[in-house]
Order: sequence, then C-alpha cells, then structure tokens
Amino acid sequence: DAGITQSPRYKITETGRQVTLMCHQTWSHSYMFWYRQDLGHGLRLIYYSAAADITDKGEVPDGYVVSRSKTENFPLTLESATRSQTSVYFCASGPAGGLSSYEQYFGPGTRLTVT
Amino acid sequence: KNQVEQSPQSLIILEGKNCTLQCNYTVSPFSNLRWYKQDTGRGPVSLTIMTFSENTKSNGRYTATLDADTKQSSLHITASQLSDSASYICVVSRTPLVFGKGTRLSVIA
Repeated sequence: DAGITQSPRYKITETGRQVTLMCHQTWSHSYMFWYRQDLGHGLRLIYYSAAADITDKGEVPDGYVVSRSKTENFPLTLESATRSQTSVYFCASGPAGGLSSYEQYFGPGTRLTVT
Repeated sequence: KNQVEQSPQSLIILEGKNCTLQCNYTVSPFSNLRWYKQDTGRGPVSLTIMTFSENTKSNGRYTATLDADTKQSSLHITASQLSDSASYICVVSRTPLVFGKGTRLSVIA
C-alpha cells in the first residue's frame, strides 16, 4: 500500500528544459494538489484537480501545466524551466468534501534544481 | 490579506521538556485550523484538525488549542522526544489553504 508517491525524488535540469514531475496515489481520492515549498515561504498551491479532467489554478500557476486523465495520476510539467522554479515540490491528495474541509495527504516531495 | 504567522521561527529544547508553539492568523472566515508535522526531507503529516467552534484537540503528546476571538492557536508538546524534531506548520482552511511558514523544533539529548 504505497499511498501517494512522487517521482523523481531529485532532479537537476537546465534553464529552458521541459521537466515533468509525476504524482501517483492509490486511495482513489478525488482531489489532488501540487505545492511548492521555498525557504521563507509557506507551502504555496500551484494547481489542483477536483476530479479527472478537472483542473484549476492555485496561488502560483505561472510557468506550470497540469493534466489529469486518470484519477490516480496528476503530473506537473514545467514547460521551460527557470531558476526561480528551483524548489521542493509536494503532491497531495484528499477525499471529496469541499476544497477547504477535507484532509490532505502529502507525498514525499521532489527536490528540483534548475541550473 | 489572509495570513498565518508562526512563532518562534525556531526552537531548541532538551529531551523530556515541554514546549508551546504559537500561530496567529488573520484568515476569516475559515472552516478549520490544522497543525502539520514535517520531518526533514518528507511531506507534512496532519497532527490535529479543529473546527472554529473547538477549543482544544489532543493527539497523544500533542495538544492544540484555538481561540477564535483572539485568532490564536497553539500547539503544546508534552515530554518531548528526539523524534519530535521537525517543522510544525499551522494551516488555516480557506480556498486555497493558507499555510504558515512553520516553526523548526530541535529536541536535543
């Protein structure tokens, strides 16, 4: 029972490259989320999804693209990576029940460095 | 602006001692307030969730309190253990969730 997994755990890429971070959950949760965590900031929401084929922007969506063709997967793509996107990225999932009332379960994170 | 401020930023205590972490928020209205524990190199894990009508919630050695009038919450850790060393994050539930920057707790022998 893996729960929620992210891959890769560590990634180094160059400015301008496209990078995709993967997130997979085994609970069949309706909601999935992508956050970034930077020193001096709390976790900030990038994008979220309420169900397959339904996605919406969060607080800091610029430069990122998401898709959700299957309930269990929620990949995050940086179309043209920039140094400001160097961060630790967390995926989370949660059951249906309203965007602010459900519990969220976080993955282990992906540490991304853009050189 | 909806904000969540946590204090102190960091804290070092001796094993076995108690400590209290503070969270002040300006978010209003909200559905619940949560405390998460984040170990180094891992994702946050929920410790407690309180609705705005609850005053206190316990989870083992962790006790969270909420004062909706003063917009303050605290997390009290009793008889600290080395494994309590982590960041503790206060989160107020709105759309989207509003995260504090966390308090980094180090428990030393």
